[in-house]
Amino acid sequence: DTAVSQTPKYLVTQMGNDKSIKCEQNLGHDTMYWYKQDSKKFLKIMFSYNNKELIINETVPNRFSPKSPDKAHLNLHINSLELGDSAVYFCASSHWGTRTNYGYTFGSGTRLTVV
Amino acid sequence: DAKTTQPNSMESNEEEPVHLPCNHSTISGTDYIHWYRQLPSQGPEYVIHGLTSNVNNRMASLAIAEDRKSSTLILHRATLRDAAVYYCILLGSQGNLIFGKGTKLSVKP
Repeated sequence: DTAVSQTPKYLVTQMGNDKSIKCEQNLGHDTMYWYKQDSKKFLKIMFSYNNKELIINETVPNRFSPKSPDKAHLNLHINSLELGDSAVYFCASSHWGTRTNYGYTFGSGTRLTVV
Repeated sequence: DAKTTQPNSMESNEEEPVHLPCNHSTISGTDYIHWYRQLPSQGPEYVIHGLTSNVNNRMASLAIAEDRKSSTLILHRATLRDAAVYYCILLGSQGNLIFGKGTKLSVKP
């Protein structure tokens, strides 16, 4: 069983479209995250949800909207896609209270290409 | 978030030990030292973490300086599968996992 799974693995779409990336974790964690890795391979945190509540919202365009229907799922919806949104998006999860001791578990990523 | 400094890249020969250094001179007393690695085309993977004492697990060892201003990740016998970017990250109770540039480790057969 995959601990943190993301779908789709690859996504190619045209500028201006709206798309969603889904993430599910079966680890029983209470906190989930979205990270973006750009073409320079720099990993940056975008959002963090704890028990379905947004606790971090880094400087991200409001075209990006995370949604957490329950603790096991965190989806990322992107409106009006731009070329600069092309990147690999990683979902991760952890226990908020014990993450310093147990770390984060990452998914395998979704490669988004906007053409 | 306290910052860490790592070399951009390192090379190792297969089956030899590798010592990956990390400086974190502004570490606070409650920051844990975490190491992650990212293999090509994969998500980051937890390697090891520590607070004050040296730590060992099946993947690696972590040596922490007495003043905690630096640490070293030790891979005892590098394999080709250890070629990855290794990230040293300070994680406090209120913070999040913030990645720097990491060290790209190349392993030569």
